[in-house]
Amino acid sequence: DVKVTQSSRYLVKRTGEKVFLECVQDMDHENMFWYRQDPGLGLRLIYFSYDVKMKEKGDIPEGYSVSREKKERFSLILESASTSQTSMYLCASSPLEGDTQYFGPGTRLTVL
Amino acid sequence: GEDVEQSLFLSVREGDSSVINCTYTDSSSTYLYWYKQEPGAGLQLLTYIFSNMDMKQDQRLTVLLNKKDKHLSLRIADTQTGDSAIYFCAVANQAGTALIFGKGTTLSVSS
Repeated sequence: DVKVTQSSRYLVKRTGEKVFLECVQDMDHENMFWYRQDPGLGLRLIYFSYDVKMKEKGDIPEGYSVSREKKERFSLILESASTSQTSMYLCASSPLEGDTQYFGPGTRLTVL
Repeated sequence: GEDVEQSLFLSVREGDSSVINCTYTDSSSTYLYWYKQEPGAGLQLLTYIFSNMDMKQDQRLTVLLNKKDKHLSLRIADTQTGDSAIYFCAVANQAGTALIFGKGTTLSVSS
């Protein structure tokens, strides 16, 4: 079974803090994704990566950056957290572009 | 642009059938997907259909695909309270680089 894990289920941070969300997959997938999920807005793609050290902007990259130094790990970074970034963050991986995506359990981030 | 539309809510009684509908604009998808999200959890792949099929049945789940109308549906037979969740339809974007998700349909099952 594909396993995608995220470093925290719940996280509370203060405005202006630098926040790291970590995602690890154990299936040697090429592609990894970060989404945020908000009520009424569904899933919105923040960034994705199709190879180590490669990244592509999704639909809402502003205020976020990513890092993929190893194939199995994809990190989402909030350089200076704001209250508007309070959300559920979901990581996913897939073996091929446009292919089945497998999701982690999500991190619910609250920025105070 | 590429878009996937779903109705936001569906309420059914336990034992009834549920039908969740999805329409999409453009897609290069080889597969079209249904995901399920239970409260507080990530998305779980529920089922999928190959783009050259019209129908796929998997136990209580039936997926129908009308490529001409760009319409995908998920039927859950004998709906149970454990089926209460958010259901997302997803298709690949035109470039084939990522999946586009609908906003999700919240299914509420009452006993």
